[in-house]
Amino acid sequence: DQQVKQNSPSLSVQEGRISILNCDYTNSMFDYFLWYKKYPAEGPTFLISISSIKDKNEDGRFTVFLNKSAKHLSLHIVPSQPGDSAVYFCAAENQGGKLIFGQGTELSVKP
Amino acid sequence: DAGITQSPRHKVTETGTPVTLRCHQTENHRYMYWYRQDPGHGLRLIHYSYGVKDTDKGEVSDGYSVSRSKTEDFLLTLESATSSQTSVYFCAISGRGEYNEQFFGPGTRLTVL
Repeated sequence: DQQVKQNSPSLSVQEGRISILNCDYTNSMFDYFLWYKKYPAEGPTFLISISSIKDKNEDGRFTVFLNKSAKHLSLHIVPSQPGDSAVYFCAAENQGGKLIFGQGTELSVKP
Repeated sequence: DAGITQSPRHKVTETGTPVTLRCHQTENHRYMYWYRQDPGHGLRLIHYSYGVKDTDKGEVSDGYSVSRSKTEDFLLTLESATSSQTSVYFCAISGRGEYNEQFFGPGTRLTVL
């Protein structure tokens, strides 16, 4: 049973526009949510996180929104740049301290 | 960047052979993790360690064992490799601060023929 789901395997966006990556979860007891970015042949790198007690966290061009009633979070990238092209994973931290990852969304930013 | 290395980076082996992957960290972090990444599944936790000689199973631990005799090294062993274990394996470390931000190694691509 997939507790964290990214239902869009891929997303294509024009440079300069907004990229919105979505993630749904089923467990209302998750404490933190994290986004990771992964380039080919490299390990994932941490991007941004949000606590379950907040609904928004911003870091430069990256903003994560959390809607607890809908069990949904999203990552907004504004403006999108070609260097943002990568696979993005959302992850949720359970009460045992383990991360549960979604399947990933491949973002392609076209010049 | 967190000091994490994985060896080997690539390996091709045959079904039934034993394989050991090594993760080495220079950050003195207490927690270490092994994940596998497969298309359509994201990253799935195999085993993790919360200290020297302290390990526990993750979501997909069948067919894998781990050992941690030193803080800096975490070994993943496939006792008898199968084709279903063809995957990319990532090691991660964490100091387990406020939230479990994990730092990942570069990965090992394993092919079992």
